[in-house]
Amino acid sequence: VQLQESGPGLVKPSGTLSLTCAVSGGSISSSNWWTWVRQPPGKGLEWIGEIYHSGSTNYNPSLKSRVTISVDKSKNQFSLKLSSVTAADTAVYYCTRDPTSSSWTHNWFDPWGQGTLVTVSS
Amino acid sequence: DIQMTQSPSSLSTSVGDRVTITCRASQSISSYLNWYQQKPGKAPNLLIYAASSLQSGVPSRFSGSGSGTDFTLTISSLQPEDFASYYCQQTYSSPLTFGGGTKVEIK
Repeated sequence: VQLQESGPGLVKPSGTLSLTCAVSGGSISSSNWWTWVRQPPGKGLEWIGEIYHSGSTNYNPSLKSRVTISVDKSKNQFSLKLSSVTAADTAVYYCTRDPTSSSWTHNWFDPWGQGTLVTVSS
Repeated sequence: DIQMTQSPSSLSTSVGDRVTITCRASQSISSYLNWYQQKPGKAPNLLIYAASSLQSGVPSRFSGSGSGTDFTLTISSLQPEDFASYYCQQTYSSPLTFGGGTKVEIK
């Protein structure tokens, strides 16, 4: 499986960040949590949220009110929307996969996309 | 939320040295602990999963141990390509959380 992020690299404050992760070499309908992680410049990793192939989602409580993750099975991809962005949302955004066989458990993240830098600025 | 505390946050060391990085969870996470390596400008790469299992393709000089709240990543003999940042991660409960990272630098 390979993952590839795409989307605008610049978003205005108060706008909505929208990214897509294309999945190749496997089906997005397989039993995995499809996940977004971000990393502000020079800082650590933050889990944003995830979607299971069934459509179930989990979000980081710190972002929950602003985050939506969805799946497009026809295009074999999943997407992230983050609303009301500020400069604090400037980060490299990664998509990744948690290859669990059950929606009740989590395993690890592998593989990862190459990441895409999103800058929030006017 | 489960807090993951890594130490040290950075270390300077030499090729051939044995390196140990620790990760402590704020509550028991059984063996739901993973380790990642990240090089500058690259995505994280899974090294160790379930506390002690070596990911396919990862050199055997990397090893992991621990359970409950205390975990260790060991590099038995540091190689030039191992200079990078290392992160632990718990997948015991949501929200999934990472440690703050350990940067391994050349002395």
